[in-house]
Amino acid sequence: GQQLNQSPQSMFIQEGEDVSMNCTSSSIFNTWLWYKQDPGEGPVLLIALYKAGELTSNGRLTAQFGITRKDSFLNISASIPSDVGIYFCAGQPELYTGNQFYFGTGTSLTVIP
Amino acid sequence: EAGVTQSPTHLIKTRGQQATLRCSPISGHTSVYWYQQALGLGLQFLLWYDEGEERNRGNFPPRFSGRQFPNYSSELNVNALELEDSALYLCASTVYGGEVSYEQYFGPGTRLTVT
Repeated sequence: GQQLNQSPQSMFIQEGEDVSMNCTSSSIFNTWLWYKQDPGEGPVLLIALYKAGELTSNGRLTAQFGITRKDSFLNISASIPSDVGIYFCAGQPELYTGNQFYFGTGTSLTVIP
Repeated sequence: EAGVTQSPTHLIKTRGQQATLRCSPISGHTSVYWYQQALGLGLQFLLWYDEGEERNRGNFPPRFSGRQFPNYSSELNVNALELEDSALYLCASTVYGGEVSYEQYFGPGTRLTVT
């Protein structure tokens, strides 16, 4: 099946620092989604991307659909304590696979006040 | 607008029993996905329902099954529970547009514990 490699696996940063994480796939994707999950809760959709090169912002968050269509990036500027959580990328391959979305393994973010 | 809802929040069962989990999608969404998230792991795709039909299933044994009702709500059944079935079960809903699916919105999950 499809593999989504998400990195880094975990990050420990000081409040106010910027954060970058990325996700790569083994094949071309036509949709990339970024989610944040707090412990014991369901993932919350942050940003959705549908076109190669697309750059979309949601407050302090910015995500990009890579030109190769095999990767995506999420940046968080000026981190704050409530940014703590696990960030997941998800994508849908261009090649039809029964409408399945594939998820990365997550990036655990810890923000130190 | 109400989001995706799931019930129960927590469920405790013993090995060999059956568990039933329920999901109500966002109004207007016809597709429901089920995922399993074991502790500390990513999301594993279980099942996809659209317009009352099972459209796709992940790599799980047949004792994981479900259905979608005419009002688009869905039920996940897990038979002959095993200890390793303990996990957070997440439901997501979306609008399905032919071969393209749009963003999925998740419910809060049901925490299933098998003892």
